[in-house]
Amino acid sequence: EPEVTQTPSHQVTQMGQEVILRCVPISNHLYFYWYRQILGQKVEFLVSFYNNEISEKSEIFDDQFSVERPDGSNFTLKIRSTKLEDSAMYFCATRDFVKETQYFGPGTRLLVL
Amino acid sequence: GQNIDQPTEMTATEGAIVQINCTYQTSGFNGLFWYQQHAGEAPTFLSYNVLDGLEEKGRFSSFLSRSKGYSYLLLKELQMKDSASYLCAVPNYGGATNKLIFGTGTLLAVQP
Repeated sequence: EPEVTQTPSHQVTQMGQEVILRCVPISNHLYFYWYRQILGQKVEFLVSFYNNEISEKSEIFDDQFSVERPDGSNFTLKIRSTKLEDSAMYFCATRDFVKETQYFGPGTRLLVL
Repeated sequence: GQNIDQPTEMTATEGAIVQINCTYQTSGFNGLFWYQQHAGEAPTFLSYNVLDGLEEKGRFSSFLSRSKGYSYLLLKELQMKDSASYLCAVPNYGGATNKLIFGTGTLLAVQP
């Protein structure tokens, strides 16, 4: 069964550093999402991406965040200058054109020190 | 806006049945999802209800009442591995890509 994959599984970084989180969507899926989950809190939407551009973004997704699909397969989330409060689990999710169901990757646990 | 309410925690016994409730208020409606999330892992899809009624899938069933803004997830023959958070989520109606709005999740502890 096809799966969404994410790398790295864990990332520890210093405050102010840039991080890039990577996702490989399920091959025939066209809608891509990033969500985050701070420890003990609910899953929150960050951004959605369709047809090579951002479709929707939340208030959390400020100028420090960016997404791109650099090579037609990977889908990346970049945080330019990390803050302590960016420490969270980051999930990539994807879905196809017809069905509503979003499938989540295993997540990247980001710790900003 | 969207608002989703579900109990924070529940406890049940192995072999028993448990019902996890979810109420929602949305400006429109485009279905309701249930996901299971084990600690430190990703949400995994359990069910998607668009129409009223009960949908059964093995030991898990999900019910929806659109007029009441209410859903429940029913877990039968509980096993220890069912200990997890159960997340109720609705797609954002009218959004460009139907982002999911999640509840806080219900942490279910299954005891021997």
